[in-house]
Amino acid sequence: DVKVTQSSRYLVKRTGEKVFLECVQDMDHENMFWYRQDPGLGLRLIYFSYDVKMKEKGDIPEGYSVSREKKERFSLILESASTNQTSMYLCASSHDRVHGYTFGSGTRLTVV
Amino acid sequence: AQSVSQHNHHVILSEAASLELGCNYSYGGTVNLFWYVQYPGQHLQLLLKYFSGDPLVKGIKGFEAEFIKSKFSFNLRKPSVQWSDTAEYFCAVRMDTGRRALTFGSGTRLQVQP
Repeated sequence: DVKVTQSSRYLVKRTGEKVFLECVQDMDHENMFWYRQDPGLGLRLIYFSYDVKMKEKGDIPEGYSVSREKKERFSLILESASTNQTSMYLCASSHDRVHGYTFGSGTRLTVV
Repeated sequence: AQSVSQHNHHVILSEAASLELGCNYSYGGTVNLFWYVQYPGQHLQLLLKYFSGDPLVKGIKGFEAEFIKSKFSFNLRKPSVQWSDTAEYFCAVRMDTGRRALTFGSGTRLQVQP
């Protein structure tokens, strides 16, 4: 089975901190994605990547950046964390258009 | 902007009742359609998907969905729900705009009472 691993299940950070969320997949997938999940809003796309060193903005990129230096790793960076970034963050990967996504277990981030 | 709507936010059913969850999207081009499920405390899992061909698709755990192009809909159905179907269900759409990412609906929380 494809595994998508997110490094932290729970994180608590202070306002203004720089926060790194890490995601690693083990099946050589080209495509990787970061979403945030909020009650009543579903999943909203932050950033995605088709290949190493490639990134594209999703629907809500403000306040976030990403890094993909290696194919298997896709990092989400909160440049200066704010309380409105408190959320569940989900990483996903896919091989192609046909096979949907494989999701990680999520990181619940609280910014205080 | 393209969007995906799930109008049922919270559904409560008794075991053995039939289920239908609505999903509509706003895009006139070609779409690929998905339903995902998130059981309490677990990660999202793919229930079923539609790409082309028969508009009635069958997924895991007895779920099925019907694509009705004229209505821009992809409703999820199950004839008889079980307590173990309690979960949150998300509809997702990939549109042929060149963006490979999925657009998700807001989700429907299903609660099945024994």
